[in-house]
Amino acid sequence: QSALTQPASVSGSPGQSITISCTGTSSDVGGYNYVSWYQQHPGKAPKLMIYDVSNRPSGVSNRFSGSKSGNTASLTISGLQAEDEADYYCSSYTSSSTLIVFGGGTKLTVL
Amino acid sequence: EVQLVESGGGLVQPGGSLRLSCAASGFTFSSYWMSWVRQAPGKGLEWVANIKQDGSEKYYVDSVKGRFTISRDNAKNSLYLQMNSLRAEDTAVYYCARVREGDDAFDIWGQGTMVTVSS
Repeated sequence: QSALTQPASVSGSPGQSITISCTGTSSDVGGYNYVSWYQQHPGKAPKLMIYDVSNRPSGVSNRFSGSKSGNTASLTISGLQAEDEADYYCSSYTSSSTLIVFGGGTKLTVL
Repeated sequence: EVQLVESGGGLVQPGGSLRLSCAASGFTFSSYWMSWVRQAPGKGLEWVANIKQDGSEKYYVDSVKGRFTISRDNAKNSLYLQMNSLRAEDTAVYYCARVREGDDAFDIWGQGTMVTVSS
């Protein structure tokens, strides 16, 4: 069981927007602005898409955005494209003995 | 080009040992915290260990404490993971990752190396 809770799957049609949630506790997501999101295509290494809750690394499309409210962080992808179909993972710093925790991952299907 | 390349994975029997290596290039290796992250077959990501720029601070996930040791050689631009007393549940792809300056995000990842623990 992962420390952070994500939906197992989400789907959307090209051009639509989807949101993936990531729920933790006040010891991780709710207590720090160190939430990150990663995209992983099958057989590939993860890629950083969002850091510090809502910041995009250079080169990441502005269709990807992040936010946080209380103990839940969210990743929104607007204008869905076929290449967005992948697994998405959230992570957070945690004050527990485990320094960094991940969510269980969400499979995004573009219909 | 900023790059991380892992090596050293393979098949090992339960209770055995393995040493993973990660060669860094294209950036000032000694300026960054570094990490190992693993992914069991068909499962999600799991952070394993972090090491500070000068190696003076190291952190581990509870499940590997006392069995795994993270280390680095800044002169060789290399990161290592010594894995002892391996268990079947350690079977995973192990990724080397650079920690972004100022926070805990992993901004550069290697391609991963597969470790299989089985008799």
